Amino acid sequence: DAKTTQPPSMDCAEGRAANLPCNHSTISGNEYVYWYRQIHSQGPQYIIHGLKNNETNEMASLIITEDRKSSTLILPHATLRDTAVYYCIVRPLSGAGSYQLTFGKGTKLSVIP
Amino acid sequence: EPEVTQTPSHQVTQMGQEVILRCVPISNHLYFYWYRQILGQKVEFLVSFYNNEISEKSEIFDDQFSVERPDGSNFTLKIRSTKLEDSAMYFCASSEALDPGGTQYFGPGTRLLVL
Repeated sequence: DAKTTQPPSMDCAEGRAANLPCNHSTISGNEYVYWYRQIHSQGPQYIIHGLKNNETNEMASLIITEDRKSSTLILPHATLRDTAVYYCIVRPLSGAGSYQLTFGKGTKLSVIP
Repeated sequence: EPEVTQTPSHQVTQMGQEVILRCVPISNHLYFYWYRQILGQKVEFLVSFYNNEISEKSEIFDDQFSVERPDGSNFTLKIRSTKLEDSAMYFCASSEALDPGGTQYFGPGTRLLVL
């Protein structure tokens, strides 16, 4: 089972920031937080990942709390093309399970005009 | 930008037939993966492959499934005797290194329908 909890759905107005929360209260020290998204039935698309520091790339920002038990993915200016299911995934750096991404049900983000 | 490609995009087969799904990973990547997604359900890990060996597999990946890297560019998933419940989207992924930076990049998928 997925080790993360996400709201099943969220709406965001076009042009506004979309903040997608994720709880991973049982995360261990050697586990990364990854975010992927899936538009319709396309292949999952990598967005961003982090260990404990906040991260930013051209797509999004990832804010990880100091205790690492939760994180937030921020899409700074959501567009209609950002409508998708967003998955928060924890993945160990090594050992059992380190080769696989365990997807949950994710958050269905709807960007509204 | 380099991307993972998969063929065919759609495949229809009869129950009991063998199917081979093909993937061309990103050229400098060393790790290869197969996932599947039954309609309306979660994306599920099947298998990972590195250095011509399976490195990890899930309970789904039973004896009916096999993977192969027949040449320097292709990575295949074979289902020996398809069942109705094998109907799903099958995604191939590849990554450059396990970690750090072992980000997996996914292909567009093959939609398999078993009749």
